[in-house]
Amino acid sequence: AQTVTQSQPEMSVQEAETVTLSCTYDTSENNYYLFWYKQPPSRQMILVIRQEAYKQQNATENRFSVNFQKAAKSFSLKISDSQLGDTAMYFCAFMKPVNYGGSQGNLIFGKGTKLSVKP
Amino acid sequence: DGGITQSPKYLFRKEGQNVTLSCEQNLNHDAMYWYRQDPGQGLRLIYYSQIVNDFQKGDIAEGYSVSREKKESFPLTVTSAQKNPTAFYLCASSISVSQNQQFFGPGTRLTVL
Repeated sequence: AQTVTQSQPEMSVQEAETVTLSCTYDTSENNYYLFWYKQPPSRQMILVIRQEAYKQQNATENRFSVNFQKAAKSFSLKISDSQLGDTAMYFCAFMKPVNYGGSQGNLIFGKGTKLSVKP
Repeated sequence: DGGITQSPKYLFRKEGQNVTLSCEQNLNHDAMYWYRQDPGQGLRLIYYSQIVNDFQKGDIAEGYSVSREKKESFPLTVTSAQKNPTAFYLCASSISVSQNQQFFGPGTRLTVL
């Protein structure tokens, strides 16, 4: 069974600085998807960034980028120029492609990292 | 505006009662999902539906039931058989199960008194 581990329950960063959130996962699959979701105090889940495992290039979305290390099964999120609005819970998630058995389209989440951006 | 709505935002239930959480989407998505979130935990899949009149159990389906009579609606019933129903419930949808991006609703907080 796939598992996702986020080893940092809480982190803090000063505004305008850079922070990296860690995520490791366990799977025997070769093809899959990885995601980072943000959950602010409103509790709305917002997709931050996604990565297809077959792509070697790391995904980037404005100030957010990932470091995807497939062999190490690591998927960290880097937030540059941190802003107060980045304060939220961040969840790493894994998804098997359809037709690989089990719950299709099932997102498997880590327990989250609570990020606080301080002024 | 296109999106996913969940109602109510807060719900209180007495022990032994069934309660139904609403989820509606106007994104014309085929696939819909229900997740449960407990404090300090990530989300766990309860049920999902790939298409109208079809649904499948997720990882924690015991004590829950769903229906999918319309494309835009996927209500979740929390039955009295669910031993620990107090949690935050999130509904999501995607164009299809094969499309990996899921969009989430704002959630419903259920508290059993």
